[in-house]
Amino acid sequence: GAVVSQHPSRVICKSGTSVKIECRSLDFQATTMFWYRQFPKQSLMLMATSNEGSKATYEQGVEKDKFLINHASLTLSTLTVTSAHPEDSSFYICSARSARRSLAGATYSYNEQFFGPGTRLTVL
Amino acid sequence: GNSVTQMEGPVTLSEEAFLTINCTYTATGYPSLFWYVQYPGEGLQLLLKATKADDKGSNKGFEATYRKETTSFHLEKGSVQVSDSAVYFCALGRGGNEKLTFGTGTRLTIIP
Repeated sequence: GAVVSQHPSRVICKSGTSVKIECRSLDFQATTMFWYRQFPKQSLMLMATSNEGSKATYEQGVEKDKFLINHASLTLSTLTVTSAHPEDSSFYICSARSARRSLAGATYSYNEQFFGPGTRLTVL
Repeated sequence: GNSVTQMEGPVTLSEEAFLTINCTYTATGYPSLFWYVQYPGEGLQLLLKATKADDKGSNKGFEATYRKETTSFHLEKGSVQVSDSAVYFCALGRGGNEKLTFGTGTRLTIIP
């Protein structure tokens, strides 16, 4: 239980195009989803926090018009990188958090985040 | 602001060796501290956590103690196995949403 998937796992695109990355909680309802970005040999950096049905909260320095986040349902959040450029190439990771302590028959810590496997974006 | 500094890797050990991965943090107040593990091709998984000073988190033979006086949360295991090969991330969390600040990750490889 408590599985988070991401799609696609890897994407290569041309500069100037937009790319959408999906994050799904497969067996639980995620009231909050987080989007991270990871550069090679660096930390995961939180980009934004999104709550279902409301606007995302972006971290300082993250362009909201560049990285569009939609959390339209309790099991799906999307990150769209608009007009992508080579400097946007990175590893994007999402996580999902449930407000419930019991998921799929198991008990989890409240506030525990469940992470997706990540999406490797390469912009040529 | 908050920050996490962890031991740079990669770390290579023989099976049954003792493991320590150092982690220190900078934060105001009393953050929660976490170790996450990422196996090849998978997402990060919570390995253990501690929410207050002197707490010891433990799971799968791994342990870490929240040391406020040294602002540390070092990960230890007495006897590692090949299946422990993964990338380990130290992190701290603050606030109701537990926004996480991560270290850079340490790649661990265990050889038979």
